[in-house]
Amino acid sequence: DVKVTQSSRYLVKRTGEKVFLECVQDMDHENMFWYRQDPGLGLRLIYFSYDVKMKEKGDIPEGYSVSREKKERFSLILESASTNQTSMYLCASQSGYEQYFGPGTRLTVT
Amino acid sequence: AQSVTQPDIHITVSEGASLELRCNYSYGATPYLFWYVQSPGQGLQLLLKYFSGDTLVQGIKGFEAEFKRSQSSFNLRKPSVHWSDAAEYFCAVSNFGNEKLTFGTGTRLTIIP
Repeated sequence: DVKVTQSSRYLVKRTGEKVFLECVQDMDHENMFWYRQDPGLGLRLIYFSYDVKMKEKGDIPEGYSVSREKKERFSLILESASTNQTSMYLCASQSGYEQYFGPGTRLTVT
Repeated sequence: AQSVTQPDIHITVSEGASLELRCNYSYGATPYLFWYVQSPGQGLQLLLKYFSGDTLVQGIKGFEAEFKRSQSSFNLRKPSVHWSDAAEYFCAVSNFGNEKLTFGTGTRLTIIP
């Protein structure tokens, strides 16, 4: 079974803090994705990576950056957290066209 | 650009009743279509997918979906729902050569006894 893990299930941060969300997959997949999920908006793609050190902007990259130094790990970085970044963040890895999701991190920025 | 519409935000169904969740997509080429389920507090799990071939596809947990090209639809069905089916359901679309998925806004399913 594919396993995608995320470093935290719940996270509370203050406005202006730098926030790191970590995602690790154990299936040697090349493609990995970061989404945010908000009620009524579904899943929106923030960034994705198709190889180590390769990244591409998704639909809502503003305020976020990513890092992929190793194939199994894909990090989402909020350089200066703001209250409008309070959301559920989902990571996925991909084999073929099928995506496998982690359990999500619910981030609250106060 | 491709898009996915799930017209029903919330559906309530009695346990044992049949279920149909609607999904319409907009895309010029042959789509790859997916249904995912998200239980409360969890990530998304793939229920089923359609790439080509038989337009009626079977998935896990007793779900099926039918691809209708003429209606640009990929509706999810289950003949008899169980209380454990209460969750949020997402339809998604992609296509050959495009690894990115476009998701619908989701349908929340409530099951009543």
